[in-house]
Amino acid sequence: GEDVEQSLFLSVREGDSSVINCTYTDSSSTYLYWYKQEPGAGLQLLTYIFSNMDMKQDQRLTVLLNKKDKHLSLRIADTQTGDSAIYFCADFTGGGNKLTFGTGTQLKVEL
Amino acid sequence: DTAVSQTPKYLVTQMGNDKSIKCEQNLGHDTMYWYKQDSKKFLKIMFSYNNKELIINETVPNRFSPKSPDKAHLNLHINSLELGDSAVYFCASSQAPTVNTEAFFGQGTRLTVV
Repeated sequence: GEDVEQSLFLSVREGDSSVINCTYTDSSSTYLYWYKQEPGAGLQLLTYIFSNMDMKQDQRLTVLLNKKDKHLSLRIADTQTGDSAIYFCADFTGGGNKLTFGTGTQLKVEL
Repeated sequence: DTAVSQTPKYLVTQMGNDKSIKCEQNLGHDTMYWYKQDSKKFLKIMFSYNNKELIINETVPNRFSPKSPDKAHLNLHINSLELGDSAVYFCASSQAPTVNTEAFFGQGTRLTVV
């Protein structure tokens, strides 16, 4: 079965870079996603990467994928207080027809 | 215009009651989902429907019964509510289950069973 793991907490100072890590077990994952959940809100898709890519950059966000190690990371440059939220990685397997979410990483940005 | 809307946003009810949560999407998507987020923020899929047909049922107790009257709606009915059902339930939709597509989430329904 699929398993997606993340570290639970990350604290950074405003202006620093944040790196949120994720490991997954399903080698048939086709797409991998990063979602953001602000307090009391639903999930918002931040970015995604196709499994044959190594890197994707989107403004302040950089996604790195190491398919061999089944490791995904999200780097947020110049982290702002508005970035404080829970970040979920998720993998999509076509065969499974579903998104499997990681355990979520609570990012706290301090002044 | 809200893409995926759930009602109610909050639901407090007693053990043993039966309750429903409604979900509607106006995106023209074929696939809808129900996810449960527990107190530790873990998100787990419960059901997935594609064009009104159930395609995923993730070992959810049969007290939970999804109903899809049309592909724009996926309601969740829960019988004989238990304390452990307290959670936030998210509805989501996506264009198709087998291609890359963004899943859009509703704002969630916070269910509290007392």
